Amino acid sequence: DVKVTQSSRYLVKRTGEKVFLECVQDMDHENMFWYRQDPGLGLRLIYFSYDVKMKEKGDIPEGYSVSREKKERFSLILESASTNQTSMYLCASSLMQAVNYGYTFGSGTRLTVV
Amino acid sequence: KNEVEQSPQNLTAQEGEFITINCSYSVGISALHWLQQHPGGGIVSLFMLSSGKKKHGRLIATINIQEKHSSLHITASHPRDSAVYICAVKNYGGSQGNLIFGKGTKLSVKP
Repeated sequence: DVKVTQSSRYLVKRTGEKVFLECVQDMDHENMFWYRQDPGLGLRLIYFSYDVKMKEKGDIPEGYSVSREKKERFSLILESASTNQTSMYLCASSLMQAVNYGYTFGSGTRLTVV
Repeated sequence: KNEVEQSPQNLTAQEGEFITINCSYSVGISALHWLQQHPGGGIVSLFMLSSGKKKHGRLIATINIQEKHSSLHITASHPRDSAVYICAVKNYGGSQGNLIFGKGTKLSVKP
């Protein structure tokens, strides 16, 4: 069964901490995405990557960075966590150049910053 | 105005009812996705459409490209169908691989 795996389901961190959210996919997908989901706002794209070491900013990149050193792994980094980054974070992947190919999502990480 | 609008925002139904969730979009698209999110957060892809109609079990998805509208139907609804249903579109010519999401429809099916 193909999968996108996020390392933690629930995470509590303190303000100012550096936070790493990890996402691993086993489908050899080129594209990987990080979204955050907040009530009333839906899913918003933070960053995406279409190849190893390649990244592009999404709609809300401020306060975040990403790393993709290997094709299967895409990490989201909160450089200095703040309370307004309390949210549900979802990772997804899809095939490159596959206009009509589906997306696979992870189970999500619910991050609370206190 | 959002590029992807869903209606209704919230929907409560009795078990066995026929349910329709609507999605309208304002951009040119290459594909439309219907997603399901259960409490706890994980998202499952239900359908991807670029034309016509698709059916999987009790779920049916249709799309009208000319009217920029899609519907998700659930026949003989069951409490396990309770979830948030999200419509998302792949913007034709837009940012590579990215989707534009609706805000979701929260469905609650009562026994």
